[in-house]
Amino acid sequence: GENVEQHPSTLSVQEGDSAVIKCTYSDSASNYFPWYKQELGKGPQLIIDIRSNVGEKKDQRIAVTLNKTAKHFSLHITETQPEDSAVYFCAASIAKLSFGAGTTVTVRA
Amino acid sequence: EAGVAQSPRYKIIEKRQSVAFWCNPISGHATLYWYQQILGQGPKLLIQFQNNGVVDDSQLPKDRFSAERLKGVDSTLKIQPAKLEDSAVYLCASSLGGGTLGNTIYFGEGSWLTVV
Repeated sequence: GENVEQHPSTLSVQEGDSAVIKCTYSDSASNYFPWYKQELGKGPQLIIDIRSNVGEKKDQRIAVTLNKTAKHFSLHITETQPEDSAVYFCAASIAKLSFGAGTTVTVRA
Repeated sequence: EAGVAQSPRYKIIEKRQSVAFWCNPISGHATLYWYQQILGQGPKLLIQFQNNGVVDDSQLPKDRFSAERLKGVDSTLKIQPAKLEDSAVYLCASSLGGGTLGNTIYFGEGSWLTVV
């Protein structure tokens, strides 16, 4: 099955700085790569996704890049704010989602 | 639009006891998922329903876990007998269609299980 690795496991950034989370996947057939944000006591919420026929996608302060050849994809958050503090999960999918282990992001005021 | 509803939110049971979780998906969503999320890990799919039929239950420990989705709407997940390693958050999710490409999966807030 698909194996997704996510780094780093924790990330602390100063408010206003950028945060980058990286994921690699094992199955070259994966064609859909969503990113979820999970706040304490809540379920994961989709924040952005990208399909395998697209290299980059941006939504306001959030962007995702995909390198199919290297089988890795990344989440970029610019101008971080305290409300960006949460656990972020990447996932890769052929028919079902396989999640990474998560990155705990802390934005310091 | 109402989200995915789950109950109970929290449950503490002793090992070897049984527990059941209930889920009501977003109205009109044909696909329903149950995920297990152990502390510090990403969610892991236990079972996927398309309407009231099972699409994927390959990672469901069938000797102790069971799930059903009667009438293609609500679903229940049961654990009997529970083990200590079943302590986790059980997330229900739903999507409009099957497959993940083009179908956003919406998660509920989860049911937190502690087995002591």
